[in-house]
Amino acid sequence: AQSVTQLGSHVSVSEGALVLLRCNYSSSVPPYLFWYVQYPNQGLQLLLKYTSAATLVKGINGFEAEFKKSETSFHLTKPSAHMSDAAEYFCAVSAGIQGAQKLVFGQGTRLTINP
Amino acid sequence: DGGITQSPKYLFRKEGQNVTLSCEQNLNHDAMYWYRQDPGQGLRLIYYSQIVNDFQKGDIAEGYSVSREKKESFPLTVTSAQKNPTAFYLCASRLGQGGNQPQHFGDGTRLSIL
Repeated sequence: AQSVTQLGSHVSVSEGALVLLRCNYSSSVPPYLFWYVQYPNQGLQLLLKYTSAATLVKGINGFEAEFKKSETSFHLTKPSAHMSDAAEYFCAVSAGIQGAQKLVFGQGTRLTINP
Repeated sequence: DGGITQSPKYLFRKEGQNVTLSCEQNLNHDAMYWYRQDPGQGLRLIYYSQIVNDFQKGDIAEGYSVSREKKESFPLTVTSAQKNPTAFYLCASRLGQGGNQPQHFGDGTRLSIL
């Protein structure tokens, strides 16, 4: 079965600082991985996805993530945080024929930006 | 613009009452999903449907029911058997059945108990 672990339910950084949100996955087959962002009382918006084409994936709003098979990780980064990045972030995995139609989500990381 | 519309945005349920949450998409997506979101627990899958007139239980289907009579519509009924229905409910859809296709989400319905 596939699973996702997001390390740190809350992360706080200063405006302009590096953002690093950690995601580790477990999958018995090559995974497809996604990062989503959720603003208060809204749905989830896709930031980026890994589908095996390239290990470094660039997304919207200046975010990127690197797939590391040896570490089973897909951490999300942004070089310089902006106040508008404050939100909750979810990592998700979809894998294999049996799991192709479902996503398994991590528990989320709430990102706070300090002025 | 294409998208997913969930209604109502806020819903209140009385004890013993069934309520239905609406989800409509005009993206021509094949698959649709319902998730429940509770603080600190991420998203949990309730039901999903890959084609019209077919749907499968997710991880927490007890106390919920769905129908998929039209491709664009996937309503969720929260029945009186669901003893703790207070949560944020999210509907999603996806084009095709490939694992690399992302899900697209509506803006959610917040359900509370009166």
